[in-house]
Amino acid sequence: DAKTTQPNSMESNEEEPVHLPCNHSTISGTDYIHWYRQLPSQGPEYVIHGLTSNVNNRMASLAIAEDRKSSTLILHRATLRDAAVYYCILNPPGANNLFFGTGTRLTVIP
Amino acid sequence: DTEVTQTPKHLVMGMTNKKSLKCEQHMGHRAMYWYKQKAKKPPELMFVYSYEKLSINESVPSRFSPECPNSSLLNLHLHALQPEDSALYLCASSQAPGRGPSNYGYTFGSGTRLTVV
Repeated sequence: DAKTTQPNSMESNEEEPVHLPCNHSTISGTDYIHWYRQLPSQGPEYVIHGLTSNVNNRMASLAIAEDRKSSTLILHRATLRDAAVYYCILNPPGANNLFFGTGTRLTVIP
Repeated sequence: DTEVTQTPKHLVMGMTNKKSLKCEQHMGHRAMYWYKQKAKKPPELMFVYSYEKLSINESVPSRFSPECPNSSLLNLHLHALQPEDSALYLCASSQAPGRGPSNYGYTFGSGTRLTVV
């Protein structure tokens, strides 16, 4: 499985944008890029996923580099509820398994 | 209904007990998963069921026995566990993978926190 590299931790001030980076230099041409987050004492929660183009949804935006070797999850205005561990995961098409890396622990400062 | 429901939320069991964890979803998902998560670690995949058949077993010890009685239910039967098996057990579901390039998100339950004494 192709690996991802994320910073162990990041901090953000409340109501400011947050850019969470992920490197995946060994990504294959058909791997989807998934982001999940896990709030304290809860199961992981799907955030967003994409293949080549940037993606937006009600939770976040996903910016994918042109060479697809990196991506950035963007939270437009961080709230205290966004404090969580964020996981960037590569998922081949047709795969029915999801392997988690170590993720980034986001702390939001009031 | 867009949820995965896991019961019980907490379970304490002795090493000689037999217990079961339950997972239920009504989203029409035909792939279901068990993950194990130790404190401050990422979830680790244990089992995958696709169309009610076991498709992946990540070399899990036989004291963990999964079962998928129908497309909405997934059980994990536990027997003769060790204290090191204490963890958060997560169930997830997704659309079963098709033959095309499409890709789907996974929906996770809140987990069962298991303590083996």
